[in-house]
Amino acid sequence: SQTIHQWPATLVQPVGSPLSLECTVEGTSNPNLYWYRQAAGRGLQLLFYSVGIGQISSEVPQNLSASRPQDRQFILSSKKLLLSDSGFYLCAWTVPGTVNSPLHFGNGTRLTVT
Amino acid sequence: AQSVTQPDIHITVSEGASLELRCNYSYGATPYLFWYVQSPGQGLQLLLKYFSGDTLVQGIKGFEAEFKRSQSSFNLRKPSVHWSDAAEYFCAVAPQGYSTLTFGKGTMLLVSP
Repeated sequence: SQTIHQWPATLVQPVGSPLSLECTVEGTSNPNLYWYRQAAGRGLQLLFYSVGIGQISSEVPQNLSASRPQDRQFILSSKKLLLSDSGFYLCAWTVPGTVNSPLHFGNGTRLTVT
Repeated sequence: AQSVTQPDIHITVSEGASLELRCNYSYGATPYLFWYVQSPGQGLQLLLKYFSGDTLVQGIKGFEAEFKRSQSSFNLRKPSVHWSDAAEYFCAVAPQGYSTLTFGKGTMLLVSP
């Protein structure tokens, strides 16, 4: 069966520090991968999605970037964190080429920028 | 572009009472529709989805949702709420053949004893 892992679960970082959040999927090949951010009262905001290695689509221009160095690995990064980057970050995947495939979410990373 | 509105930010329901969470979408054609549930500090879990066919969709945990094209709605229902249903619920929409979903801002369900 397929599983998705996100780490770390929680992170406290000072303003101006770098960020790296990692997400890996097991049990499937060539998944579509997504990074969402959830801020209080604002629902889920799609940040990036990827349909293949090295292919990244950015939905919202901001202080963050994403990379997909391997088929089942998706990384969210920042060179210098801002206070506004605080939030709950969720990684998700879907089965490519299957239009009925729903999103499967990881357990998220709670990021607090101080 | 598609959008989703969940008009209720919070809803409180007594345990054992029925529940209806509202969701309205804006999209030019019939979209794919989803309901997800999120427990505190956790990721989202899919409750049910609608792609086509029967407009009444059954999901997990005793939930169901009805797609009403004329009202652009996809409301979530449960006949009898349990205390463990307390969570945040998200409606989502995607165009057919989608690669991304658009989520509503969520409805927090509180269950009173």
